[in-house]
Amino acid sequence: DVKVTQSSRYLVKRTGEKVFLECVQDMDHENMFWYRQDPGLGLRLIYFSYDVKMKEKGDIPEGYSVSREKKERFSLILESASTNQTSMYLCATSLGGEQYFGPGTRLTVT
Amino acid sequence: LAKTTQPISMDSYEGQEVNITCSHNNIATNDYITWYQQFPSQGPRFIIQGYKTKVTNEVASLFIPADRKSSTLSLPRVSLSDTAVYYCLVGDLHYGNNRLAFGKGNQVVVIP
Repeated sequence: DVKVTQSSRYLVKRTGEKVFLECVQDMDHENMFWYRQDPGLGLRLIYFSYDVKMKEKGDIPEGYSVSREKKERFSLILESASTNQTSMYLCATSLGGEQYFGPGTRLTVT
Repeated sequence: LAKTTQPISMDSYEGQEVNITCSHNNIATNDYITWYQQFPSQGPRFIIQGYKTKVTNEVASLFIPADRKSSTLSLPRVSLSDTAVYYCLVGDLHYGNNRLAFGKGNQVVVIP
């Protein structure tokens, strides 16, 4: 079974802090994704990576950056957290047409 | 970028067949249609994927008309454990691009 793990299930940060969300996969998949999920808005793609050190912007990249130094790890970075970044963050990997999601990190910015 | 539209919610009685629709009027030639199921406090889980016509697996069927501008996920004989949010996703994951559009999800509640 594919395993996608995220570093924290719940996280509380203060406005202006730098926040790192980590995602690790154990199946050697090329593609990795970061989404945020908000009530009534569904899942929205923040960034996507198709290889080490490669990244593409998704629909809502503003306020976020990503890092992929190793194939199995994809990090989402909030350079200066703001309250409107309070959300559920989901990491996913893909092989062919199927995405495999992690359990999510619920981030609260106060 | 394909835009997807789904009904917000629906109720169904246990044992009935449930059909969930998704509209994707500007689907591109290379886009596939994928459906995911999500329970509270979990990430979405793959159910089924198709390109055209009909696809069936052990848990669901996916119907896609010839123009591919909509799709219908069919869940046969639902049980209480099928209560979840169902998302359709349109895009092309096979070549690793980021043309992905999730619907806003359809909350299905199965009633005893």
